[in-house]
Amino acid sequence: EAGVAQSPRYKIIEKRQSVAFWCNPISGHATLYWYQQILGQGPKLLIQFQNNGVVDDSQLPKDRFSAERLKGVDSTLKIQPAKLEDSAVYLCASTGSYNEQFFGPGTRLTVL
Amino acid sequence: RKEVEQDPGPFNVPEGATVAFNCTYSNSASQSFFWYRQDCRKEPKLLMSVYSSGNEDGRFTAQLNRASQYISLLIRDSKLSDSATYLCVVSRYGGATNKLIFGTGTLLAVQP
Repeated sequence: EAGVAQSPRYKIIEKRQSVAFWCNPISGHATLYWYQQILGQGPKLLIQFQNNGVVDDSQLPKDRFSAERLKGVDSTLKIQPAKLEDSAVYLCASTGSYNEQFFGPGTRLTVL
Repeated sequence: RKEVEQDPGPFNVPEGATVAFNCTYSNSASQSFFWYRQDCRKEPKLLMSVYSSGNEDGRFTAQLNRASQYISLLIRDSKLSDSATYLCVVSRYGGATNKLIFGTGTLLAVQP
């Protein structure tokens, strides 16, 4: 079974630039999550989708972050404009019937 | 105060040692409990679920004390390959679905 796919794996940008990350969950998984993991911390949930609807975006900085999952499959997370403190690993995860979350390899973002 | 608290370590132990990690959570509405393992520069992966009756998987034993809101993980006969960050995770109902709350993780380094 193919895992959660993410791209790019690494991204370096300057502050105030825009960046987008892509995630393709495990086939058939209805629930998709985006997490931010800052160095030395555990993952923090940014947004959760159930199919193509948002069920929790309470910790998403909506002034600069946006996410969509238009067809209920893959998803994109965008940051516009980026700040230095956005440097982190952005993890995508998906859940099937048994509630175990499977994580993708993450995108490591460095904002200079 | 963080909702899930762990000692960040690092725990430096020799091969063959027994090591214990502790975790406390503050929200009594938490329903499910897990330990995840995260290798350096990799994504988190589920190690084991944690039940009040305690559960064991080979060299790993997890325990939950709901009254004290305390979770533990015991690793016996440590191997070099056990070196990783161990994340304590609780799940609680947050709106329309369950959400995972991660601790900051405890770094384990097993020395030869």
